[in-house]
Amino acid sequence: GAGVSQTPSNKVTEKGKYVELRCDPISGHTALYWYRQSLGQGPEFLIYFQGTGAADDSGLPNDRFFAVRPEGSVSTLKIQRTERGDSAVYLCASSLVGVSTDTQYFGPGTRLTVL
Amino acid sequence: AQSVTQPDIHITVSEGASLELRCNYSYGATPYLFWYVQSPGQGLQLLLKYFSGDTLVQGIKGFEAEFKRSQSSFNLRKPSVHWSDAAEYFCAVDPSSNDYKLSFGAGTTVTVRA
Repeated sequence: GAGVSQTPSNKVTEKGKYVELRCDPISGHTALYWYRQSLGQGPEFLIYFQGTGAADDSGLPNDRFFAVRPEGSVSTLKIQRTERGDSAVYLCASSLVGVSTDTQYFGPGTRLTVL
Repeated sequence: AQSVTQPDIHITVSEGASLELRCNYSYGATPYLFWYVQSPGQGLQLLLKYFSGDTLVQGIKGFEAEFKRSQSSFNLRKPSVHWSDAAEYFCAVDPSSNDYKLSFGAGTTVTVRA
């Protein structure tokens, strides 16, 4: 079956602009996660959705970052007033129910470059 | 501070040789432990995971890992490497063993030479 998909695969923007990154999870997965992977680092947790609600957004770095999942499926990560430090690969993952024993399935990521 | 450490940034191994990737963690309790592989242009793929029980875990693609509580380690091994194993490998932990947030190490890049 289809895995987790993310669009766009690459996004180049200018400092100060607004961007939206989309994640389409595996069908039927109720849990969805966003991670950020900076160059030379492992992924870092940003936010976790259980259904439509953000159950844990403790990893969002500041209030310029926001994510939604209005129908409990597709999620959008939104970044306002982008900064050069936001440049990274943004990974989305989904799992069946969101407990720690679930396997998280990752998408290929969106590479964001802020000029 | 709580952390996941992968001491080797880059490892080069000959095709057919054995491979061992190191992972150490520093958390109060025994976390859930994972190894993921990331190939260029691909998403992270789970190789194996450890929750409890037998400390030697078998995974996909011929990989195995051994949990050693006394050393706070979870090293990944493969007896005979194939060229297709060239990738970046990440160790990850679920610190609370009852959570969903994964904490990842910085990764080890594996190069396979013919």
